[in-house]
This record gives sequence, structure tokens and C-alpha cells, in this order.
Amino acid sequence: DQQVKQNSPSLSVQEGRISILNCDYTNSMFDYFLWYKKYPAEGPTFLISISSIKDKNEDGRFTVFLNKSAKHLSLHIVPSQPGDSAVYFCAASGWGSQGNLIFGKGTKLSVKP
Amino acid sequence: GAGVSQSPSNKVTEKGKDVELRCDPISGHTALYWYRQSLGQGLEFLIYFQGNSAPDKSGLPSDRFSAERTGGSVSTLTIQRTQQEDSAVYLCASSLAGGPSYNEQFFGPGTRLTVL
Repeated sequence: DQQVKQNSPSLSVQEGRISILNCDYTNSMFDYFLWYKKYPAEGPTFLISISSIKDKNEDGRFTVFLNKSAKHLSLHIVPSQPGDSAVYFCAASGWGSQGNLIFGKGTKLSVKP
Repeated sequence: GAGVSQSPSNKVTEKGKDVELRCDPISGHTALYWYRQSLGQGLEFLIYFQGNSAPDKSGLPSDRFSAERTGGSVSTLTIQRTQQEDSAVYLCASSLAGGPSYNEQFFGPGTRLTVL
């Protein structure tokens, strides 16, 4: 059973608009959440993270929101740029694991000029 | 500095053959992870090494899979008697330290394994 779910396999957004990528999780023991970005033929690269004690973390154009009661997090990219086009993976880590990450299946974001 | 490197970048093999995949982590990183990504799936955790501790093998899908980490640095993932369902991109990551509190993981470019 998937513990981290990204229900939208793809998302298309116009350049300059906001991109919102969603992620749901089932394990209440997760205490750290991350977003990774992946270009074709490259490994994932870390984008932004949030601890479970926070509800928002912002880094430039990227903001991650965490709603613990709903077990939901989202990544907002504003304004979106064509270079943001990639697959975005939501991941979680928590007590009981050894730091290994539990990943969602990813959402492919396409930002159109 | 140099990031995580993996070799080969691509490997095509016949069903039933053994394969070895190599990972060179970032120098000084004590934790090393192997993941795989099958087509249309997320990254699936396979195995984790932390320093000289016994590895966490809880993610290995079968006893055909094994991994070693020599001298606390380079790691080799071995798949024996490969099957077509083993076809995937195998990703290695390293971090300064291991869990349970999180340390950022840096990923290599992966090895794309195709089993014919």
C-alpha cells in the first residue's frame, strides 16, 4: 500500500502562472517531507523540505505547505518558468526508518511559454 | 566537488545473467542508499548503509539482490539471475549521516538496467 501518494501524474501550466503540486501521505509517523525535482537521464535533486513541526517553508519561488491534520502537503511554484518543467517527487521520512525516503510516483510538470 | 557517480550508465543483459552496479558516493558521506525506479513508479528503497553498521536490507525485493560497501565508500549492488521485472533505473544516494533525523540525500544519475 502506498504511503506517499501523488494522484496527478501530470500538470500543465502557463509560464508566469502558479504551479501547485499535491501530495498525500498515510503514515502519521512521518516527520520530515521533501520535494525532489528530476530531469530526464539525471538523478533527483533536492528542492525544498519541511519539518512536521512547521506548516510552511518558503525558498524563493518555491513554497511547501503542510497540513498535518489532512496528511497533505503541496508545493507551490510562482511564477512558473519553462525551466521548471520536470518530474517532481514528494518524499517522506520518519522515526522508525533509517533516513531512507518513501517516494510518491511523481508528477510531471510542463510549463508552457 | 564531485557528486555521486554511478556506473555503468546503461546496462543491457539477458535474463538469467548476473549484473553488478557501482556507486561512488560523495567523499565524507557516511550514509549510502540504493533505490530503484521502475517505469511509471516512484523511487523504491532497496538498501541502506551507515558507517560500519550492519546494512538495512529491508527493501531488497528478493534474495537475488545483494549489496556491499567496501571501506565505507564505494558500493556495489549485485543482482543474480536477472529477471525482466528487474528492469529499472537503479539510483544511489549518499548523505553526511543517516537517520532517523533527516540528512539531505544527494543522488547519482542512475544506472538504467534492461533485462531482455
